[in-house]
Amino acid sequence: DTAVSQTPKYLVTQMGNDKSIKCEQNLGHDTMYWYKQDSKKFLKIMFSYNNKELIINETVPNRFSPKSPDKAHLNLHINSLELGDSAVYFCASSPPGGFHEQYFGPGTRLTVT
Amino acid sequence: AQKVTQAQTEISVVEKEDVTLDCVYETRDTTYYLFWYKQPPSGELVFLIRRNSFDEQNEISGRYSWNFQKSTSSFNFTITASQVVDSAVYFCALSKGSSGSARQLTFGSGTQLTVLP
Repeated sequence: DTAVSQTPKYLVTQMGNDKSIKCEQNLGHDTMYWYKQDSKKFLKIMFSYNNKELIINETVPNRFSPKSPDKAHLNLHINSLELGDSAVYFCASSPPGGFHEQYFGPGTRLTVT
Repeated sequence: AQKVTQAQTEISVVEKEDVTLDCVYETRDTTYYLFWYKQPPSGELVFLIRRNSFDEQNEISGRYSWNFQKSTSSFNFTITASQVVDSAVYFCALSKGSSGSARQLTFGSGTQLTVLP
């Protein structure tokens, strides 16, 4: 049973397109996150939702829009894709509170050509 | 502002050697949490350990051990008798401990460990 799953695993698209990445967790966690890992492996938080409410919204272009239909799902929609959006995007979940480890999905490798 | 520094970008060792990965952090919070994650070549992020700021007890888990020292703001990770399967990128991360439901992890830049046969 996969705890945190993401689809698709790979996404290749052209500049200017709109794409979505889906994330689902079956751990019963209240909190979900999106992280971006760039080509140098640097990981940075993008968004966090708690019980469908946006909690953290780092400095991310407004072309990126998270959507949480319920607490088990957090999707990431990206409009007008740019070359610089190429990265690996990780979804994660955790129980509430900073003391809990976060469980990460397998990542989605986005390549914008 | 929080910051995590992993000064060692890449480390290469021969199998069975011991290796220590350094992690230095900065935070103004008195309550915080430190983590280590492993990212093997397959790409997933695997949780290894969590430590809170009030618990300076070192921990050993098999070949892995962690040394937390508040006085030097360090949380170092040692692998004893390294194996080829330990080859991965290792990330140190810091989370605030203040109340609230969602706390972002601030990651270090990672250390690429290569264990040669």
